[in-house]
Amino acid sequence: AQTVTQSQPEMSVQEAETVTLSCTYDTSESNYYLFWYKQPPSRQMILVIRQEAYKQQNATENRFSVNFQKAAKSFSLKISDSQLGDTAMYFCAFMKHPWMPAGNNRKLIWGLGTSLAVNP
Amino acid sequence: DAGVIQSPRHEVTEMGQEVTLRCKPISGHDYLFWYRQTMMRGLELLIYFNNNVPIDDSGMPEDRFSAKMPNASFSTLKIQPSEPRDSAVYFCASSLRQGQETQYFGPGTRLLVL
Repeated sequence: AQTVTQSQPEMSVQEAETVTLSCTYDTSESNYYLFWYKQPPSRQMILVIRQEAYKQQNATENRFSVNFQKAAKSFSLKISDSQLGDTAMYFCAFMKHPWMPAGNNRKLIWGLGTSLAVNP
Repeated sequence: DAGVIQSPRHEVTEMGQEVTLRCKPISGHDYLFWYRQTMMRGLELLIYFNNNVPIDDSGMPEDRFSAKMPNASFSTLKIQPSEPRDSAVYFCASSLRQGQETQYFGPGTRLLVL
């Protein structure tokens, strides 16, 4: 069974600095998707970034980028130029490729989250 | 385009009462998901639908929970009878069938069972 581990329950960073959140996962699949979601105090779950395992290039979205290391099964999130609005819980999630055998699989496997505080 | 809509946003009820949570997915999305979030257990998938048909309900905790999707634009999650341990935030999410596996979440319903 797939598992997702976020080893940092809490982190803090000063405004304008860079922070990296860790995520590791365990799977025997070769094709899958990885996601980072953000949950601010409003509790709305917001997609930050996603990565397809067959793409070697790391995904980026403005100040957010990932370091995807497939062999190491690692998917860390880097936030550059941190802003106060980045304060939130960050969740890493895994999904088997939905078109693989048992191809209706849309189940996301979630980590327990990292609480990030951006300090002024 | 409107996002996923959930109602009510907050619900306070007494143990033993029936609770119905509602969800309207994003128009055109084929998949609908119900999640529960608690401090102790994190985010749990309860059930998901494809084209209104339940695909995986293995996360539904017990027979007190039921979910329906009578049409492409509406789903309900019902708890009957409710218990204090059902207190949680319940999220609905939806996604497209092809090309976009990303799940888009509603604002959640915070349920408190006294």
